[in-house]
Amino acid sequence: DAGVIQSPRHEVTEMGQEVTLRCKPISGHDYLFWYRQTMMRGLELLIYFNNNVPIDDSGMPEDRFSAKMPNASFSTLKIQPSEPRDSAVYFCASTDGQGRYRYEQYFGPGTRLTVT
Amino acid sequence: AQKVTQAQTEISVVEKEDVTLDCVYETRDTTYYLFWYKQPPSGELVFLIRRNSFDEQNEISGRYSWNFQKSTSSFNFTITASQVVDSAVYFCALSEPYGGSQGNLIFGKGTKLSVKP
Repeated sequence: DAGVIQSPRHEVTEMGQEVTLRCKPISGHDYLFWYRQTMMRGLELLIYFNNNVPIDDSGMPEDRFSAKMPNASFSTLKIQPSEPRDSAVYFCASTDGQGRYRYEQYFGPGTRLTVT
Repeated sequence: AQKVTQAQTEISVVEKEDVTLDCVYETRDTTYYLFWYKQPPSGELVFLIRRNSFDEQNEISGRYSWNFQKSTSSFNFTITASQVVDSAVYFCALSEPYGGSQGNLIFGKGTKLSVKP
């Protein structure tokens, strides 16, 4: 069974450019989460979806960040325009909200973003 | 407010030593879940265990064991006979599901464990 898939694994871009991070959750999972990890702030939630609908986006730092989930198997996190302070590892996670293992979030490998 | 505190920033042990990683949490809710995740040098986050607030039984899985004590709001993690492959950053996390929500994970700052041969 494939885990959470994220792409790209590494992204280096220049300030001002648009960045799009992609995530494919585990098949059958109905919750999808985007987290960001930095040395200063640790792991923090940005946004999460239930059945493709955004539920809580209070962690999205500012309007430059947007996230979509057009279907159950795909989500994007977009930063436009990117800034050096956006440099971080971005993780996607998913969970099955109904099953025996609900509340257990399984993480993708992360995307390491560097904005120069 | 919810909070997870991992007071130990870094721990260094020699292989085969036992080591305990501390986790203290704060929550207003009576229903919550506690987790441990492992982040090896390769960077991925690996789920280790979930414990709900109604189950205070300790759990053992191989060399790993967890001690959950509601009276002290602690959920400590012990590795017995540590190995070099246990070297990683370990995160404790709290989730407060409400209504039909899964809630989100509130992570501690992590404890970096180095196991030397």
